[in-house]
Amino acid sequence: ETGVTQTPRHLVMGMTNKKSLKCEQHLGHNAMYWYKQSAKKPLELMFVYSLEERVENNSVPSRFSPECPNSSHLFLHLHTLQPEDSALYLCASSQDPGGDYTGELFFGEGSRLTVL
Amino acid sequence: AQKITQTQPGMFVQEKEAVTLDCTYDTSDQSYGLFWYKQPSSGEMIFLIYQGSYDEQNATEGRYSLNFQKARKSANLVISASQLGDSAMYFCAMREGLEGAQKLVFGQGTRLTINP
Repeated sequence: ETGVTQTPRHLVMGMTNKKSLKCEQHLGHNAMYWYKQSAKKPLELMFVYSLEERVENNSVPSRFSPECPNSSHLFLHLHTLQPEDSALYLCASSQDPGGDYTGELFFGEGSRLTVL
Repeated sequence: AQKITQTQPGMFVQEKEAVTLDCTYDTSDQSYGLFWYKQPSSGEMIFLIYQGSYDEQNATEGRYSLNFQKARKSANLVISASQLGDSAMYFCAMREGLEGAQKLVFGQGTRLTINP
């Protein structure tokens, strides 16, 4: 299995829908992340979970709601989104750096979201 | 203020030539890490190379090397003997601090195209 798996890969939703993005990591890491990638903008860090506790919430609108039920799974619940929320949503995981390990993020392939 | 600056939106290089992708960063921390990622059209972010702020030697990984100039706050990526498969977006990123969850800040990216 690949290290970080995201589903669905593509999602189209209306502004009144409720949907969820799922991320699963098979690397035994202790931190997971959601990033948003919009056209012509740098990746934006949305949420960070370390040991299943949220440690970062970068002023993300409440229509995005993360959930981390265990160290291997991360969800992003979506409701009443706006067209400007259309983007590639990337999940990543990492382990605390130490020794020879640099703590780099391992990313999934992303979920391409289109809001109509 | 932007923490990571990549000034080259696009680069076109002939196959087998070397290419340098520029990255400058801004931090007041003494402890930080610098990363380069490659993003092919599939969307997945692939880790390439890491440089810690205390590392005295420039990092190298196969055909990738990082030209780290601490006083100038630059961390340029050098790809030797470029290949067609190197065509992708390349992102420079920085982590401030060396412990805990890795909150990476990314630059705008450089789109590299390798011509046959």
